[in-house]
Amino acid sequence: NAGVTQTPKFRILKIGQSMTLQCAQDMNHNYMYWYRQDPGMGLKLIYYSVGAGITDKGEVPNGYNVSRSTTEDFPLRLELAAPSQTSVYFCASSYSPSTSGSLYEQYFGPGTRLTVT
Amino acid sequence: AQKVTQAQTEISVVEKEDVTLDCVYETRDTTYYLFWYKQPPSGELVFLIRRNSFDEQNEISGRYSWNFQKSTSSFNFTITASQVVDSAVYFCALSERYGGTSYGKLTFGQGTILTVHP
Repeated sequence: NAGVTQTPKFRILKIGQSMTLQCAQDMNHNYMYWYRQDPGMGLKLIYYSVGAGITDKGEVPNGYNVSRSTTEDFPLRLELAAPSQTSVYFCASSYSPSTSGSLYEQYFGPGTRLTVT
Repeated sequence: AQKVTQAQTEISVVEKEDVTLDCVYETRDTTYYLFWYKQPPSGELVFLIRRNSFDEQNEISGRYSWNFQKSTSSFNFTITASQVVDSAVYFCALSERYGGTSYGKLTFGQGTILTVHP
C-alpha cells in the first residue's frame, strides 16, 4: 500500500493563479481531510469528506474548494491564490465504521509546500 | 467549541533526560478521542497514540508513556531517556464525536518543539 499520496510536493504560484492539489489513498478509507499548517502553528482543517459525493467545510475553508467523486481521491482546488494561502497542505484519511461510530487514527500524506508570491 | 492547548512552545533537553510534554483540552462532548502525532524535521506526521475518552488507563510503549486524566482534561506525553532522534515537533489533537457518528475532525494544539542535544 502506498498509503496517502500527495502531488506536487512543492509549488510556487503567483497571486491570482489557480491550482489543484492532488490527494489519493489506497486504504479504502471512507473519511478524508485537508489541513493546512502555517509556520510555527498546528494544523487547521480546511475541508473534509465522509464518503464519495459528500464534503463539508472545516475551520478555514475560504479560498478553497473540494470534490470527492471516488473513495480514493480528494483534490483541493485553489481558485485565486493569495499570499495568505502560503502554507504546507496535508491530506489525511481515516476509517470509521458507520455502525459503531468508532474512530481510528488519521494517516497523513507527506504534504505539499505552497508559496504564493 | 473544542480547544487544545500545548503550553510549552519549545523544550530543550540533553540526551538521556526524561521530558514531559503537556496537553490540556476543552470539549463539551462526553465521548471524544485524543491523539499524539510526531512531526520530525522531514515534515511528515507520524501517529503515536489514540485514546478513547472512556479509557483512562495510562499507556506505555517503549520509552513513551501517556498519562490521561479526565478530571484535569489533560493528556500528557513523557519520553524517558530521550534520544537525539526524538527531536521533533509533537502535536496533541482532539476529535469530538457528533450525534453518535464521529467525523474525525481533528483540532490540533500549536505543537511543542522538542530538541534533544547529544
